[in-house]
Amino acid sequence: EAGVAQSPRYKIIEKRQSVAFWCNPISGHATLYWYQQILGQGPKLLIQFQNNGVVDDSQLPKDRFSAERLKGVDSTLKIQPAKLEDSAVYLCASSPTSGRSGYNEQFFGPGTRLTVL
Amino acid sequence: KQEVTQIPAALSVPEGENLVLNCSFTDSAIYNLQWFRQDPGKGLTSLLLIQSSQREQTSGRLNASLDKSSGRSTLYIAASQPGDSATYLCAVRIGYGGATNKLIFGTGTLLAVQP
Repeated sequence: EAGVAQSPRYKIIEKRQSVAFWCNPISGHATLYWYQQILGQGPKLLIQFQNNGVVDDSQLPKDRFSAERLKGVDSTLKIQPAKLEDSAVYLCASSPTSGRSGYNEQFFGPGTRLTVL
Repeated sequence: KQEVTQIPAALSVPEGENLVLNCSFTDSAIYNLQWFRQDPGKGLTSLLLIQSSQREQTSGRLNASLDKSSGRSTLYIAASQPGDSATYLCAVRIGYGGATNKLIFGTGTLLAVQP
């Protein structure tokens, strides 16, 4: 089966510019996640969608970051305006709805590497 | 608040050595723990997943153990190869379903296996 797709793979922008990332999850996966991974750190969850509804955005900097998942499939993550500290890899992951308690494995895309100059 | 720590941050070994990567977490109320591999410029590949009721999982040359009460997990790699060079991340899953199906990641161990 096809994996999680992300684009673009790389993006370089000036600070205060806007940028958007796109994610296409594995077909049929109800849950979609966006993570931010700063160099030398582990991924940090930014937002989690269940179908097209947000279930956790507690760590999303809402003054500059926004995300949507229209029709419960693809998702976009936007940063406006970007800051230097937003330089990171943005990972998208998806997981199926599983009947097995405690087990919803997440499958990760290749990520988008953002550099803010 | 759950915090996950990995030691060492970086490790360099000659090919053929057996090695152990360590992961510790502060809150033992986890549902499972997962080890991932991350290659440069690529996403995360799941290696092993241990449910909270399990003590260990094995896949080929990899063996992961879990001691939930002490908040520790180890990833054992036998007979290391240059192709094992990557960053290894551990993550704990807190809760299940809905908003609590969260992965909390450690900072990773960068492994270099020298030929």
